[in-house]
Amino acid sequence: DTGVSQDPRHKITKRGQNVTFRCDPISEHNRLYWYRQTLGQGPEFLTYFQNEAQLEKSRLLSDRFSAERPKGSFSTLEIQRTEQGDSAMYLCASSLNLAGTTDTQYFGPGTRLTVL
Amino acid sequence: QQQVKQSPQSLIVQKGGIPIINCAYENTAFDYFPWYQQFPGKGPALLIAIRPDVSEKKEGRFTISFNKSAKQFSLHIMDSQPGDSATYFCAASRVTGNQFYFGTGTSLTVIP
Repeated sequence: DTGVSQDPRHKITKRGQNVTFRCDPISEHNRLYWYRQTLGQGPEFLTYFQNEAQLEKSRLLSDRFSAERPKGSFSTLEIQRTEQGDSAMYLCASSLNLAGTTDTQYFGPGTRLTVL
Repeated sequence: QQQVKQSPQSLIVQKGGIPIINCAYENTAFDYFPWYQQFPGKGPALLIAIRPDVSEKKEGRFTISFNKSAKQFSLHIMDSQPGDSATYFCAASRVTGNQFYFGTGTSLTVIP
């Protein structure tokens, strides 16, 4: 399967613990996005990378959240000191950005986080 | 503030019916409007997308109608099938932008 993959698919943690999620984009894609989706809502943008550079962060991304894409390939999203309100599906998407065109974003299956 | 408003929240149709899902936006800078389909436990998958220079686009059984003056667009599913039962999201972005703004989703159930 050459689509976007995410690991783990499910994570249950206790409040206050740190968690880290991984996303592997489609190999030739230069952009990688993180979204958060809560029940009954559409995905909400968190941040995106162009190659290894993090170019935009949403106000939703509090100081407890950090994302990296060290070599412009896979990305990690870390949440420190998790809170119950962090419980959500965390979606990763990737796209191939060419100048003057619209990116089609391809989504991974998501990581479902439950904070107890 | 919800950038894209979607309705209805849920929809039930008989097999063969034509469900219609509507979306509206305010930001006139938006110029790319995709629709995504999401099954439980899966990420959203792109169905079809349109730009405002056309009023309609068809791909298979899926059609987008776009009304630029009203800032509205809709998804029509022709000859709906039980396998179409899923949640559908509209979205909007700018060609030069970096993020998609999603609607709140419509849960579609197609009864056999």
